[in-house]
Amino acid sequence: EVQLVQSGAEVKKPGESLKISCKGSGYSFTTYWIGWVRQMPGKGLEWMGIIYPGDSDTRYSPSFQGQVTISADKSISTAYLQWSSLKTSDTAIYYCARQSGSNSPLDYWGQGTLVTVSS
Amino acid sequence: AIRMTQSPSSLSASTGDRVTITCRASQDISTYLAWYQQKPGKAPKLLIYTASSLQSGVPSRFSGSGSGTDFTLTISCLQSEDFATYYCQQYYTYPRTFGQGTKVEIK
Repeated sequence: EVQLVQSGAEVKKPGESLKISCKGSGYSFTTYWIGWVRQMPGKGLEWMGIIYPGDSDTRYSPSFQGQVTISADKSISTAYLQWSSLKTSDTAIYYCARQSGSNSPLDYWGQGTLVTVSS
Repeated sequence: AIRMTQSPSSLSASTGDRVTITCRASQDISTYLAWYQQKPGKAPKLLIYTASSLQSGVPSRFSGSGSGTDFTLTISCLQSEDFATYYCQQYYTYPRTFGQGTKVEIK
């Protein structure tokens, strides 16, 4: 069974750093892309970026380029989304999701990680 | 980036109704179009890919059509479990982009 299990909710202060995770199981982690999607409170879905764990090829949305870093550790089948300096506007639920190929939809999703940034 | 525009933003319908949601892309995306369903407090779920292919396990009352720039999602006979928000997404190119969502509410 394909599963993407994300790390737990976080409460942080502005300026702090954070790294959240997404662990894949039930499939070959290195041969599928992992994407990240933001959902701000009461808002829609925003595509942030994606990584291919096999070779760490990474693409970012211009809206998020330079704001976050996407990485993966294929030895433990885990992808990451990290911030070096959080803002209150980063408060959102972040989902990871699997993409089968270069031109494929997001077919399996993690349960989401709520990140709250507040002073 | 390709802009995806859904209409309507919300609609009220009754169980048993036929519901149609449209999605327009700002440029030709062929059939690289997916539809997702999201219920409150839950992750999105893939319903349809390649504009009209039903994801495994999705009820046949859901259907999709279109190509190029104009697409539709149809729910032929609305069930209580279908009240949710629906998003289209293009995967023709990076960055991927979503529509703003259509909330289907109970009339």
